[in-house]
Amino acid sequence: DADVTQTPRNRITKTGKRIMLECSQTKGHDRMYWYRQDPGLGLRLIYYSFDVKDINKGEISDGYSVSRQAQAKFSLSLESAIPNQTALYFCATSDNYGYTFGSGTRLTVV
Amino acid sequence: QKEVEQDPGPLSVPEGAIVSLNCTYSNSAFQYFMWYRQYSRKGPELLMYTYSSGNKEDGRFTAQVDKSSKYISLFIRDSQPSDSATYLCAMSAYNQGGKLIFGQGTELSVKP
Repeated sequence: DADVTQTPRNRITKTGKRIMLECSQTKGHDRMYWYRQDPGLGLRLIYYSFDVKDINKGEISDGYSVSRQAQAKFSLSLESAIPNQTALYFCATSDNYGYTFGSGTRLTVV
Repeated sequence: QKEVEQDPGPLSVPEGAIVSLNCTYSNSAFQYFMWYRQYSRKGPELLMYTYSSGNKEDGRFTAQVDKSSKYISLFIRDSQPSDSATYLCAMSAYNQGGKLIFGQGTELSVKP
């Protein structure tokens, strides 16, 4: 099994729909992150969590929310999806500065 | 101005060439510098990690950090087609608890 598992791998949804992206990790790390990747913009931080009770906004949190259900699980929700949220989404975990990423979720909002 | 700037390329080189990838940054508090490699349809994977200034070598890869110029580089010697990927620089400050700021990524293609 992969160290960081993201589901689904691909998703097409309609504008206005609520959608949840899920992430689980087997590394045993406390820190987890959600990034989105867009062509020419690199990886931008949406939310991060240093432990189950600590959740912080990143640089582009508007339109997103997260839930840290357990040390190993960190979910990202789009409350009302819009087309400019079409992107590749990555979950990551770390113990200090070395991140382990999942394989990503490709989300298309039509 | 973005905190971390990286030329997105694309960069195309022949097999065996020396590749130089670079990033500049504006935050003088950055102390931890990383390079990640991302293959198509995969998540980024850690390639090199450097603390503060100096050089670090790992096989065909060399990472350099020049904090006085706020400039970091990754050199790939004897490049191979398997090196074709997107390379992302990333960095963090001591007081950011491991939160990384990424460059835009440079797409590299090594032609046989």
